[in-house]
Amino acid sequence: EVVMTQSPATLSVSPGERVTLSCRASESISIDLAWYQQKPGQAPRLLMYGAFSGDTGVPARFSGSGSETEFTLTISELQSEDVATYYCQQYNTWPLTFGGGTKVEI
Amino acid sequence: QMLLQESGPGLLKPSQTLSLTCSVSGGSINRSNHYWNWIRQTAGKGLEWIGRIYVSGFVKFNPSLKGRVSISADTSKNQFSLNLTSVTAADTAVYYCAVGGGHNAFDIWGPGTLVTVSS
Repeated sequence: EVVMTQSPATLSVSPGERVTLSCRASESISIDLAWYQQKPGQAPRLLMYGAFSGDTGVPARFSGSGSETEFTLTISELQSEDVATYYCQQYNTWPLTFGGGTKVEI
Repeated sequence: QMLLQESGPGLLKPSQTLSLTCSVSGGSINRSNHYWNWIRQTAGKGLEWIGRIYVSGFVKFNPSLKGRVSISADTSKNQFSLNLTSVTAADTAVYYCAVGGGHNAFDIWGPGTLVTVSS
């Protein structure tokens, strides 16, 4: 299966800072990658699909980039409501797999 | 806006069968380009995709579950269901149902339901 590796595991930042989260696939997945945001006690929420396409209603401060095996989710100016764990997920190859997550805290 | 809601027993004993239902409102599970998924989350293994069913009835499962899983849909009730046999403590998790369409990601998730396996 395709192993998704996210780094760092935890990121401590200040409001207004630019945040960059990384996701690496163990083999090429083209741009078949999604990003999710999960707040405590809630289900994950889709942020990005196709590596860089924002889902409906996602704030413009979130952006995605990358292809093949290296992907990035960027939050241009962190807001307090962005404190959450972020997961990447590939849908190029069965079984569908998730990364271990990056926890963003203030 | 489509809403999904999981339901089922929260506590099981080892070797029993886990049965969960996902009720869908605000849209039909008969949508031709949609697919209906089960995903679980544990503290140890994180998020794990369990399987998916398409409106055609085609199903796809995660081989890690070694044939213990089945997924079915009831279009008359606008629901789809998960069965996981021979559960162990390792199956203790929050179970989510989720729908995707078009781009293959998981667009909408249910709130999740905690299932605990304990003797």
